[in-house]
Amino acid sequence: SQKIEQNSEALNIQEGKTATLTCNYTNYSPAYLQWYRQDPGRGPVFLLLIRENEKEKRKERLKVTFDTTLKQSLFHITASQPADSATYLCALGGLPAARDDKIIFGKGTRLHILP
Amino acid sequence: GAVVSQHPSWVICKSGTSVKIECRSLDFQATTMFWYRQFPKQSLMLMATSNEGSKATYEQGVEKDKFLINHASLTLSTLTVTSAHPEDSSFYICSARERGAGYGYTFGSGTRLTVV
Repeated sequence: SQKIEQNSEALNIQEGKTATLTCNYTNYSPAYLQWYRQDPGRGPVFLLLIRENEKEKRKERLKVTFDTTLKQSLFHITASQPADSATYLCALGGLPAARDDKIIFGKGTRLHILP
Repeated sequence: GAVVSQHPSWVICKSGTSVKIECRSLDFQATTMFWYRQFPKQSLMLMATSNEGSKATYEQGVEKDKFLINHASLTLSTLTVTSAHPEDSSFYICSARERGAGYGYTFGSGTRLTVV
């Protein structure tokens, strides 16, 4: 069956350290993968997109890797800050036979940056 | 950047009544909008894809007669939950994508629906 799994429901990281979140998928062939941030009671906010032919993407303190062989993406936040505390969602897109460019979300990982 | 406005942000309704949720793209045209539902600590589940000027495409298991979608213009899509029941209580979120914006989707702020 098709699955998107994000490493853990919650992750506690000490301020200043690097937080690493994992997204694994099974029986999907996405052309791209996205990461979003969601705060409680709010809609997700787009952070980064990485395509299947890209190994790594960076944006300020964020870094995303994409390994289509392992079917895995890693999302890193370096020099983490309490303000980075949120739920982070990965989403698969450009799926074969998918209509209208829809994207499929994982459950998310709640990240807590401890001061 | 692209902004999607969603109203209302929360609504409480009585069982058996209908509720309409609006989703507007404020500074771009969206031929396609997406409607999601999210239960606590769960993933965003795609309910339907709203296409301007044509019928919406519903995901498997979503009742099209219960969740009516209208996308009458390039900037407005509405979701009407008809004959709402307590099990319809959830967080409903819409999204759209601005062309040329790097494939990132812009989401509305969500609507918390509580059916009593």
